[in-house]
Amino acid sequence: QSALTQPASVSGSPGQSITISCTGTSSDVGSYNLVSWYRKYPGEAPKLMIYEGSKRPSGVSNRFSGSKSGNTASLTISGLQAEDEAEYYCCAYAGSSTYVVFGGGTKLTVL
Amino acid sequence: QVQLVESGGGLVKPGGSLRLSCAASGFSFSDYYMSWIRQAPGKGLEWVSYISSSGSTIYYADSVKGRFTISRDNAKNSLYLQMNSLRVDDTAVYYCATDAGAGWFDPWGQGTLVTVSS
Repeated sequence: QSALTQPASVSGSPGQSITISCTGTSSDVGSYNLVSWYRKYPGEAPKLMIYEGSKRPSGVSNRFSGSKSGNTASLTISGLQAEDEAEYYCCAYAGSSTYVVFGGGTKLTVL
Repeated sequence: QVQLVESGGGLVKPGGSLRLSCAASGFSFSDYYMSWIRQAPGKGLEWVSYISSSGSTIYYADSVKGRFTISRDNAKNSLYLQMNSLRVDDTAVYYCATDAGAGWFDPWGQGTLVTVSS
């Protein structure tokens, strides 16, 4: 199973909004509303930011939102802050045979 | 609070074996599905293996199928990953994570580094 496709990098200025795309196939992103997003700082464990496509875990800022259209999921971060600079990964459920597949990660730089 | 602590990583030669452990605390471990996920140096995240709460259902990524074995001991609140026939490309930080069973993971442990090198 190939990894989901994410842009290698995105950037934005403080206060702006950015969107990270995550493109899969009809076997994963397109089949289930089960995309999750993780933020990862270097040397730290990943942190769940969005699950089931658009739901935020308790404690995650409402500046983070998720959506999906067809085989592409998206993570939008509004009101960019310096602390948002990190690597972001998407993950999609792909059925019991493959289970899940991750994206290659997107490095977010806050200018 | 909920805590997952991995251990057992280290340096091993190609073809060797290693057993990783993940100690869980702060929640009812026996009620939760669990997964192992890894990140090779400079690479992205890769899901490795899943085990249901009772241990009756297990999945593996194709890259580790036949070489790795996931297991759990609910009495000891522990998750394990037995890794055999290790290859250089198994070098990674290995994380254990609570698995929702629907493709999302929360929380994660801090990870343990496995280095396969001669």
